[in-house]
Amino acid sequence: DVKVTQSSRYLVKRTGEKVFLECVQDMDHENMFWYRQDPGLGLRLIYFSYDVKMKEKGDIPEGYSVSREKKERFSLILESASTNQTSMYLCASSFHSDRGHGSSYNEQFFGPGTRLTVL
Amino acid sequence: GIQVEQSPPDLILQEGANSTLRCNFSDSVNNLQWFHQNPWGQLINLFYIPSGTKQNGRLSATTVATERYSLLYISSSQTTDSGVYFCAVPRRDSNYQLIWGAGTKLIIKP
Repeated sequence: DVKVTQSSRYLVKRTGEKVFLECVQDMDHENMFWYRQDPGLGLRLIYFSYDVKMKEKGDIPEGYSVSREKKERFSLILESASTNQTSMYLCASSFHSDRGHGSSYNEQFFGPGTRLTVL
Repeated sequence: GIQVEQSPPDLILQEGANSTLRCNFSDSVNNLQWFHQNPWGQLINLFYIPSGTKQNGRLSATTVATERYSLLYISSSQTTDSGVYFCAVPRRDSNYQLIWGAGTKLIIKP
């Protein structure tokens, strides 16, 4: 089974703090994603990475950065947390291509989520 | 871009009832995923179903790609089926980024 884990289920931080959210997957997936989910706004993509050290902006990258130093690990960084970054953060992973993985290669699998509160 | 619409937005049922959730999409797609988000926020993969019918226990899904819709069937509902059900399809310009429906919130009463 695919397993995607996130470093914390719940996190409380203060405005201005630097926050690290970490995601680890054990399926050798090339793609990794960070989403945030807010009531009424659904899931919105923040950043994704298709390879080590590679990243692309999603729909709402402002105020966030990411790091992918190892294939299995993708970190989301809030350089200076603000109250409007209070949200549920979800990490996901998938294969990048269908090489040997069959037709469902781009199926995304999610971690348990991190509920971040910024006070 | 592709639009994804889910219906109904909310559904309240008694335990044991059957339900059908619908996902319409505005353009042809090469895959579609159904997810269940439980009350604790975890998104659980239900089906990867670009076309045809799949079954997994009390759940089944059918995608009719030519008519641009997918249906998720839940039979003999249990309280643990409560949560939000999402469908998602890939973006045209990026096969591995998803466009999400707004979800169907399902409440199963004991």
